[in-house]
Amino acid sequence: NAGVMQNPRHLVRRRGQEARLRCSPMKGHSHVYWYRQLPEEGLKFMVYLQKENIIDESGMPKERFSAEFPKEGPSILRIQQVVRGDSAAYFCASSRRQKEKLFFGSGTQLSVL
Amino acid sequence: SQQGEEDPQALSIQEGENATMNCSYKTSINNLQWYRQNSGRGLVHLILIRSNEREKHSGRLRVTLDTSKKSSSLLITASRAADTASYFCATEGDSNYQLIWGAGTKLIIKP
Repeated sequence: NAGVMQNPRHLVRRRGQEARLRCSPMKGHSHVYWYRQLPEEGLKFMVYLQKENIIDESGMPKERFSAEFPKEGPSILRIQQVVRGDSAAYFCASSRRQKEKLFFGSGTQLSVL
Repeated sequence: SQQGEEDPQALSIQEGENATMNCSYKTSINNLQWYRQNSGRGLVHLILIRSNEREKHSGRLRVTLDTSKKSSSLLITASRAADTASYFCATEGDSNYQLIWGAGTKLIIKP
């Protein structure tokens, strides 16, 4: 049973470009969470999705950031017109049901030049 | 917002010693979870303790919860070099969809 898969592992973008981060949850998991982590800091919640629905996006900036979890395929976190401050590790986690323990992917390290 | 606060921020001990990390939180909770993160990796769930539990064990891990003081501790006994990692507590409340995370304790086990 494969774990949570995130790709790419590392992503380098220039300012103004778009970043697309992908997350495939564990088999049987329909709840996906995206987190952002800066060095030496804890996780900051961004968005919580179930299949085809955004449940809570209170941690996600209103501009430039969007997330989706389509019926088929991985969840996508999309950052448009990236700025240097977007550089961080972005982690995806999934769970079978709401409020169950989370299984994390290995993260995508986004570097904005 | 972050409500969990771990202390110490960093802890360095000799292999074989016990390591204790603490977590304090502000609001009422349904449960509190501890996770481990190895450098550059995702988090791994260690243990969950519910609000009506006071102590829980899992292998070399012992977690306590004091809801009156809004605090929890994680004890790792007989530490090993492989325990070197950052440890985070996360709390789940009644209405949150999200876990609330602390900033973590960085644990270094010296061989």
